[in-house]
Amino acid sequence: EPEVTQTPSHQVTQMGQEVILRCVPISNHLYFYWYRQILGQKVEFLVSFYNNEISEKSEIFDDQFSVERPDGSNFTLKIRSTKLEDSAMYFCASRERTSEETQYFGPGTRLLVL
Amino acid sequence: KQEVTQIPAALSVPEGENLVLNCSFTDSAIYNLQWFRQDPGKGLTSLLLIQSSQREQTSGRLNASLDKSSGRSTLYIAASQPGDSATYLCADAAGGTSYGKLTFGQGTILTVHP
Repeated sequence: EPEVTQTPSHQVTQMGQEVILRCVPISNHLYFYWYRQILGQKVEFLVSFYNNEISEKSEIFDDQFSVERPDGSNFTLKIRSTKLEDSAMYFCASRERTSEETQYFGPGTRLLVL
Repeated sequence: KQEVTQIPAALSVPEGENLVLNCSFTDSAIYNLQWFRQDPGKGLTSLLLIQSSQREQTSGRLNASLDKSSGRSTLYIAASQPGDSATYLCADAAGGTSYGKLTFGQGTILTVHP
């Protein structure tokens, strides 16, 4: 069964460093999302991406964040200058077409900023 | 702004019991409602999706219902097993101009003991 994959599974970085989290969505899906979950808190929406552009973003998704689909398979989240409060589990998700369809989630990347 | 609340926050039951998890949401303009399972430190596994036009969905021992007018959904688990122990999350897909972003509840931590 097709699945969303994410790399790396864990990443430790120093405050102020740039990180890139990678995702491979399910191949025929058109809509892509990033969510994050700070330890002990709710899963929060960050950004949605469709037709090679951001379709919606939350107030969390400030200028330090960017997303890109550099080729036909990868979908990346970049944090330019990490802060301690960026430490969280980051989930990528994708869905096929309509908003009525299931979003499929990847296993997540656990980011720790020291 | 959509708010999703889950009750109870935690539930501990003996094996074999039937149980109900509750989810409420403030804005009824949703495309669908999804129930997920999350094991400790892991990703999100989609269990059931109920379209906004549907009243319920069933998969094996799981049954989810949706009442948009009252802003409520329930997840019914029949004949619970220790392997059902996990955190259960509900999330609704926003309607209107949103691209289907999910708003999550804080989850119900379920423990089924032998």
